[in-house]
Amino acid sequence: DSGVTQTPKHLITATGQRVTLRCSPRSGDLSVYWYQQSLDQGLQFLIQYYNGEERAKGNILERFSAQQFPDLHSELNLSSLELGDSALYFCASSVGAAPWEQYFGPGTRLTVT
Amino acid sequence: AQTVTQSQPEMSVQEAETVTLSCTYDTSENNYYLFWYKQPPSRQMILVIRQEAYKQQNATENRFSVNFQKAAKSFSLKISDSQLGDTAMYFCAFMPMNRDDKIIFGKGTRLHILP
Repeated sequence: DSGVTQTPKHLITATGQRVTLRCSPRSGDLSVYWYQQSLDQGLQFLIQYYNGEERAKGNILERFSAQQFPDLHSELNLSSLELGDSALYFCASSVGAAPWEQYFGPGTRLTVT
Repeated sequence: AQTVTQSQPEMSVQEAETVTLSCTYDTSENNYYLFWYKQPPSRQMILVIRQEAYKQQNATENRFSVNFQKAAKSFSLKISDSQLGDTAMYFCAFMPMNRDDKIIFGKGTRLHILP
C-alpha cells in the first residue's frame, strides 16, 4: 500500500459524458501527478500540482482539467468523453516539487462505451 | 524531444535465473535521472531503482541492479535470482533535472518468470 488513494476503482460511462476522478496523496506529500495509461500510448504524464498550484503540464487534452484543493487532494475532470479516453488513470504523489520519488495510487479504470 | 525505448516487448525466464531488460534513451540534457518501475498484475506502479546521471556508480537494490552507460545512453536492469513475484511489466523512465522535470516512460517490457 503506497498511501495514495484513488476513487473510484472502476468507472463505466458513455461517450459525451463527464466524470471526476479523485486522488488523496500520502500524508505530507505536496505534489500530485496524474498519468494516463492506455494500450496504444503507454504511460503518459498529464499534469502536476504542487501545493495547490499547477506546476507542470504534459499531454493533457483541453477536455481534461484538474485541480488541487487546500487539503491537497486532487480531482481530474474528464469531459465530452470519447472511446479513446478509455484507460487506466493513475495518481501519484511526492513530498517535493520534482518526481524524484513518487508513489503511485492503485489507479482508476475508466471505460467509455 | 526526449524519448525512451525498450526494445524487448516481452521476455520469459526460468525462476532463479538472471535476466537483463534493455532501455535506451535520447536526450541532449547532461543532468537527469533514470528510473525502473515495476507494474505487477495488481496494476500498482512500484519504483524499483533509480540512478542519477552524474553518478558513475551503478545503482543496486538487493537483487536489482542497473548498468548505466551514459555515453551510449543505455540503462539496463538486471534481476538476479529471479522470483515468481518478479513477474510484471517493467517500465524504464527518464526525467531531466531542470524546471521542466517531467517523467517520460518507455512502452514497457512484459517479464514472465516461469516456475
